[in-house]
Amino acid sequence: DIQMTQSPSSLSASVGDRVTITCRASQNINSYLNWYQQKPGKAPKLLIYAASSLQGGVPSRFSGSGSGTDFTLTISSLQPEDFATYYCQQSYSALTFGQGTRLDI
Amino acid sequence: QVQLQESGPGLVKPSETLSLTCTVSGGSITSYYWSWMRQPPGKGLEWIGYIYYSGNTNYNPSLKSRVTISVDTSKTQFSLKLSSVTAADTAVYYCARATNDWLAFHIWGQGTMVTVSS
Repeated sequence: DIQMTQSPSSLSASVGDRVTITCRASQNINSYLNWYQQKPGKAPKLLIYAASSLQGGVPSRFSGSGSGTDFTLTISSLQPEDFATYYCQQSYSALTFGQGTRLDI
Repeated sequence: QVQLQESGPGLVKPSETLSLTCTVSGGSITSYYWSWMRQPPGKGLEWIGYIYYSGNTNYNPSLKSRVTISVDTSKTQFSLKLSSVTAADTAVYYCARATNDWLAFHIWGQGTMVTVSS
């Protein structure tokens, strides 16, 4: 199985901050990496697919980068609605999610 | 627009089989991958498996021996069966649609809580 490790597990930030979340795969997954946002009691929402492609309707302050084993999700200027938990997910071989990064105010 | 809705019992007894159905509305079930995920209370997401509309399946190796996913294109539904459940299978279960190219889950159901308890 391909293991996905996110860091940090939790993060405190303020409105307007630039935030970066990292996801590392246990082996090469090329660009088969997707990012999701989940708010309490809600289903996850797709933000980024194929490592760096922005899903339709997602604000441009979200961006993704990386390939191979190391990936990042960046929020350029945090907005109040961005405080949530973020997950990475690989789809190179079977499917696995990272453990999540909780972003708090 | 396409919407997904999970349905099924909210309480299942240990050692029994958990059965859930996801109904697809507002679109066809042909094409795309259709998947099940779950999330235990306070924990992260776990992929259970997916089915292509043609019937091809792929399951999480850790659950493969207990999981069956099937599709009924005439009813625009797909289903999950998880056998021999224990308390560890207590979770919110989500159905979702994935893109064909990157297997990114771009449409999700609202989720349904299933508790395993006698």
